[in-house]
Amino acid sequence: GQNIDQPTEMTATEGAIVQINCTYQTSGFNGLFWYQQHAGEAPTFLSYNVLDGLEEKGRFSSFLSRSKGYSYLLLKELQMKDSASYLCAVRDSNYQLIWGAGTKLIIKP
Amino acid sequence: IAGITQAPTSQILAAGRRMTLRCTQDMRHNAMYWYRQDLGLGLRLIHYSNTAGTTGKGEVPDGYSVSRANTDDFPLTLASAVPSQTSVYFCASALGPGGSGADTQYFGPGTRLTVL
Repeated sequence: GQNIDQPTEMTATEGAIVQINCTYQTSGFNGLFWYQQHAGEAPTFLSYNVLDGLEEKGRFSSFLSRSKGYSYLLLKELQMKDSASYLCAVRDSNYQLIWGAGTKLIIKP
Repeated sequence: IAGITQAPTSQILAAGRRMTLRCTQDMRHNAMYWYRQDLGLGLRLIHYSNTAGTTGKGEVPDGYSVSRANTDDFPLTLASAVPSQTSVYFCASALGPGGSGADTQYFGPGTRLTVL
């Protein structure tokens, strides 16, 4: 079967750095996505990785290792507005997205 | 219209009733998707459409139907609602289908549906 695993909840301090991990087992791989979802709102796109390595976009970076079936999202200089759920999704061999349950990130002052 | 819209925002429905959730996008995207999101579970694909005139079944299609008469609209119908269909429903669209680059999916604001 297809499976995306990520921690249910994480807590971090404002101004700090946090790493959210995602491991996957899917039928085929055509890219990995990270989305941010604030409570009661729609998911919004953060990053896309299809090749191994680190993609940096401002305070957010995403890493991929295809051989390990592993990705992480790194958030630097955390702000209160970063409190949200972070969703990991893999595009499979049918070009459909398989979604993890999401990691709820709580930022404390 | 800017982007992707859904209606209604929320709805309480008696079991056994028929309900259509509406989704419209003005981005001229080819691909559209319907997901449901339940607490503790990832987004699950109900139905999708890679282009106007075609539809396909996702992971959890039972009890739902869709149509794609034109590029912009992708309604989701519950023929006879049951309590297990209580969920938040998201419509999404992408330039799509398939693999040129990220082909990011953009989401509508969602419909919160309660079936009693």
